[in-house]
Amino acid sequence: DGGITQSPKYLFRKEGQNVTLSCEQNLNHDAMYWYRQDPGQGLRLIYYSQIVNDFQKGDIAEGYSVSREKKESFPLTVTSAQKNPTAFYLCASSIEQAHDNEQFFGPGTRLTVL
Amino acid sequence: AQTVTQSQPEMSVQEAETVTLSCTYDTSESDYYLFWYKQPPSRQMILVIRQEAYKQQNATENRFSVNFQKAAKSFSLKISDSQLGDAAMYFCAYRSALLSDMRFGAGTRLTVKP
Repeated sequence: DGGITQSPKYLFRKEGQNVTLSCEQNLNHDAMYWYRQDPGQGLRLIYYSQIVNDFQKGDIAEGYSVSREKKESFPLTVTSAQKNPTAFYLCASSIEQAHDNEQFFGPGTRLTVL
Repeated sequence: AQTVTQSQPEMSVQEAETVTLSCTYDTSESDYYLFWYKQPPSRQMILVIRQEAYKQQNATENRFSVNFQKAAKSFSLKISDSQLGDAAMYFCAYRSALLSDMRFGAGTRLTVKP
């Protein structure tokens, strides 16, 4: 079955630690995205990548980093510089050739800083 | 920057009745795409319906339809014959024809009463 997987589902981190969230897709999509979801604020874009080895900052990139070494994978690292990292993180992908295409979402990762 | 506003944080509807969720957006572009996504308690984002700005005809998908008013920059979602499974957070989203990122509203939580 084609789709997007995110792991882990729940993640706990101590303050001062970096942590990496995994996102994998087997849809052969060119573009991938990371969103942060907080209560009452909808989804906010952290980073996105339209092609392998290239990515752009979204609205709230500070304290986060990404890589896109393979088309299928777009991991997100939450660094210790992110002041309030507790949130729900969603990864998405889309066919990039046409902007009317929907973004397909993974099941999300809930990150809690202890 | 484009912004998306959902002015109804919560809505409720009786089972089998009709409900309309509001969405307005701000843009200076003439070519763009609009989406409604549903996020049930599982938190999996699911596309409900999409609308291309260049199309005057309102999109429909079974019990879901939109009222797209381009001049007013309004994009409301109508759910007919509401079912218990329609209970979820609903997000309105805007995507430029020029840029890759998608802008989301803050969401409307829909409750369906039996």
